[in-house]
Amino acid sequence: QKEVEQNSGPLSVPEGAIASLNCTYSDRGSQSFFWYRQYSGKSPELIMSIYSNGDKEDGRFTAQLNKASQYVSLLIRDSQPSDSATYLCAVKVGNEKLTFGTGTRLTIIP
Amino acid sequence: DTGVSQDPRHKITKRGQNVTFRCDPISEHNRLYWYRQTLGQGPEFLTYFQNEAQLEKSRLLSDRFSAERPKGSFSTLEIQRTEQGDSAMYLCASSLYEGQPQHFGDGTRLSIL
Repeated sequence: QKEVEQNSGPLSVPEGAIASLNCTYSDRGSQSFFWYRQYSGKSPELIMSIYSNGDKEDGRFTAQLNKASQYVSLLIRDSQPSDSATYLCAVKVGNEKLTFGTGTRLTIIP
Repeated sequence: DTGVSQDPRHKITKRGQNVTFRCDPISEHNRLYWYRQTLGQGPEFLTYFQNEAQLEKSRLLSDRFSAERPKGSFSTLEIQRTEQGDSAMYLCASSLYEGQPQHFGDGTRLSIL
């Protein structure tokens, strides 16, 4: 079992709709959770961090964490073509390193 | 604040050559991380520094790889006797203190001929 799992996609969503991205992790000791956006050929860009159970909202983005189910998700409301990218889920367990999933490729269809 | 800066952006070299990359973290960030990313994969952790101390190294970091952060500011990652499998994007990130999000630089793309 991979430490951090994401559906690789591609996930296609019409412009203006809600995009839902999911991530599961295997280590129950995981403490911090992050979503990064990565455009093709570019480096990861932090968009959300979440540390406790529940929802965290920032503009059009909402991160959801459920530690009991070992599940973290990212919702993007009012999806825009500029949201088309690969979204990486990253998890920190104890020490400083981040463990990343393989990413979900999101395409927003105009 | 300026972001994490990496140099060079691209490096093309022949197999067997040595290469060195540089990373300048965000000012006052005392934690610095190196990751490697290949096509279709998420970044994989290589090593990290707290100030000048190298606190963890991944098993991915073979004897051909060495990283330094001599004065707790910029860091270098050297790969000796490069191999085809070293072709990847090498990413540097920094964070202000433990548990804080890591911010990535633009990366150095290494291509081995």
